Amino acid sequence: QKEVEQDPGPLSVPEGAIVSLNCTYSNSAFQYFMWYRQYSRKGPELLMYTYSSGNKEDGRFTAQVDKSSKYISLFIRDSQPSDSATYLCAMRRIQGAQKLVFGQGTRLTINP
Amino acid sequence: DAGITQSPRHKVTETGTPVTLRCHQTENHRYMYWYRQDPGHGLRLIHYSYGVKDTDKGEVSDGYSVSRSKTEDFLLTLESATSSQTSVYFCAISEPDGRASGNEQFFGPGTRLTVL
Repeated sequence: QKEVEQDPGPLSVPEGAIVSLNCTYSNSAFQYFMWYRQYSRKGPELLMYTYSSGNKEDGRFTAQVDKSSKYISLFIRDSQPSDSATYLCAMRRIQGAQKLVFGQGTRLTINP
Repeated sequence: DAGITQSPRHKVTETGTPVTLRCHQTENHRYMYWYRQDPGHGLRLIHYSYGVKDTDKGEVSDGYSVSRSKTEDFLLTLESATSSQTSVYFCAISEPDGRASGNEQFFGPGTRLTVL
């Protein structure tokens, strides 16, 4: 069983829709939670990160962490065609080197 | 891509040949990483470095070795390439926790490696 599980999709929604992306994890030692966005044939880029539980908002993006359920989410409001990409969740412990464990990635398409 | 270059960007090689991928950074970041990305697996850590000449294994290190003789360069070597090592390889850099941007890993553009 993988430490981090993410529905690979693909997910296709109309422009303007609210998108919900989710990951579950099994390692209770994870304390930092990230969402990366990856455009086709590019390297991932950090979208948001959250420490421990709670919500974090940045423009149209909201990240939520529920450590009691070992569940994290990324919401995208008023989705745009430019949001079409693969979204990867990642997480790590506090101590030691910053070894990230990634989910499989969800491929998202926003249709105009 | 945050001052990170990878070379070569594409490579096709044959089973059993040695291959070296290079990651070069101009950001003077202390930590460097090598990941591979395969369908259905996301990114998986191969090796990482927390300083010059200081390296350690990641999740999928078998068949790979690394070296870091300078802050700016991190080399990944496949001693004898196999078809299972066909993948996209990403280098990443970061600063230690507590420093500015210490929570962010910056990724390079990737190297597509095909082993026939």
